[in-house]
Amino acid sequence: KQEVTQIPAALSVPEGENLVLNCSFTDSAIYNLQWFRQDPGKGLTSLLLIQSSQREQTSGRLNASLDKSSGRSTLYIAASQPGDSATYLCAVNFRRTGTASKLTFGTGTRLQVTL
Amino acid sequence: GAVVSQHPSWVICKSGTSVKIECRSLDFQATTMFWYRQFPKQSLMLMATSNEGSKATYEQGVEKDKFLINHASLTLSTLTVTSAHPEDSSFYICSARDPYGPRIYGYTFGSGTRLTVV
Repeated sequence: KQEVTQIPAALSVPEGENLVLNCSFTDSAIYNLQWFRQDPGKGLTSLLLIQSSQREQTSGRLNASLDKSSGRSTLYIAASQPGDSATYLCAVNFRRTGTASKLTFGTGTRLQVTL
Repeated sequence: GAVVSQHPSWVICKSGTSVKIECRSLDFQATTMFWYRQFPKQSLMLMATSNEGSKATYEQGVEKDKFLINHASLTLSTLTVTSAHPEDSSFYICSARDPYGPRIYGYTFGSGTRLTVV
């Protein structure tokens, strides 16, 4: 069974700190992995998409890495800001689900950046 | 980038009534759309895959007769919660991917619909 796990479930850091969010998945046969941000009561905003052939993607202060062999991805946020406070979700597109389109989501990490 | 619009943002309905939620791809055509459900403080669970011009594919444990999906055009999928009950109260989110857009975009999600059944 393909599963996605995110640790920690919640994280609170002071403004300006660099931080790392972790995502692990049980099957290394994937098409891609995508990181999302969700604000309370809102939909999902795509942050970064990493194809299976890639090892990392960067966008502004965000950097996501992918290590398929160990079934892990990390989202690195540099110089955190209060506006970064949200829930961060990791979603994996596993090959063995039978469709190239189905996403399996992790449980999310609730991030709070304090002043 | 690809934009997905979802309507309504929130709805309150009486138990026993039906509610329709719309999901539109605004600047691309989507032969496939996805409907997710999210309970408070939990992650998203895929309910069904909506296929344009054909029947939807439902995930195990999702009642087809309760959650009716219609994908009549390349830009619109609807989810109808029939005979809604309080336990159907949840956050419903749709998503789609522009098949001809840059691969960097991945999947785009709507803003979600908060359904409360009273």
